[in-house]
Amino acid sequence: AQKVTQAQTEISVVEKEDVTLDCVYETRDTTYYLFWYKQPPSGELVFLIRRNSFDEQNEISGRYSWNFQKSTSSFNFTITASQVVDSAVYFCALSDSTGNQFYFGTGTSLTVIP
Amino acid sequence: ETGVTQSPTHLIKTRGQQVTLRCSSQSGHNTVSWYQQALGQGPQFIFQYYREEENGRGNFPPRFSGLQFPNYSSELNVNALELDDSALYLCASSLIAGGFYNSPLHFGNGTRLTVT
Repeated sequence: AQKVTQAQTEISVVEKEDVTLDCVYETRDTTYYLFWYKQPPSGELVFLIRRNSFDEQNEISGRYSWNFQKSTSSFNFTITASQVVDSAVYFCALSDSTGNQFYFGTGTSLTVIP
Repeated sequence: ETGVTQSPTHLIKTRGQQVTLRCSSQSGHNTVSWYQQALGQGPQFIFQYYREEENGRGNFPPRFSGLQFPNYSSELNVNALELDDSALYLCASSLIAGGFYNSPLHFGNGTRLTVT
């Protein structure tokens, strides 16, 4: 069975602090994809990143970085020097290679305090 | 590039009624998926449409049904509405090519359905 766990329900940080959002997944598939989405108050889920199960290289995009570790089934997301605009709910998601169905975690609500 | 658009934005219905939600996929995408997001929860997969046919279904009863049209737009229909159907309904489009999807899901802003 596919499952995504985001143990952190809510996180508050002060602007310019670094913050890491945790994501642990379960799957029996050997080929799968992991995602992070951002959901601002407007409701739209904004795509941030996709990683496939064969690529464990960490990725950095501006202030965002992702740490994928198959050994611990984790795909953590770090925001460096957080800004107020980063305040949102962040979802980690998992799909198999067909992309037929995405399994989302319950989300982590991030509040960045100015 | 046109993104995913959903209508209406908000909707209030009474228990037992029927509702139709609409979605236009992002240009270049051929697949539409529908998700239900209850308050404080992650999105839950309802079903996916590809080539105008259902291409996978989550754990939702048959009163949740859908359609995909030749222009790849889609409708979600819910019959006999229940109070627990109150949620944000998200439509997402993607591209399947060669039997595998080649793009992540791109979501619309959703339709907020309230059942009273």
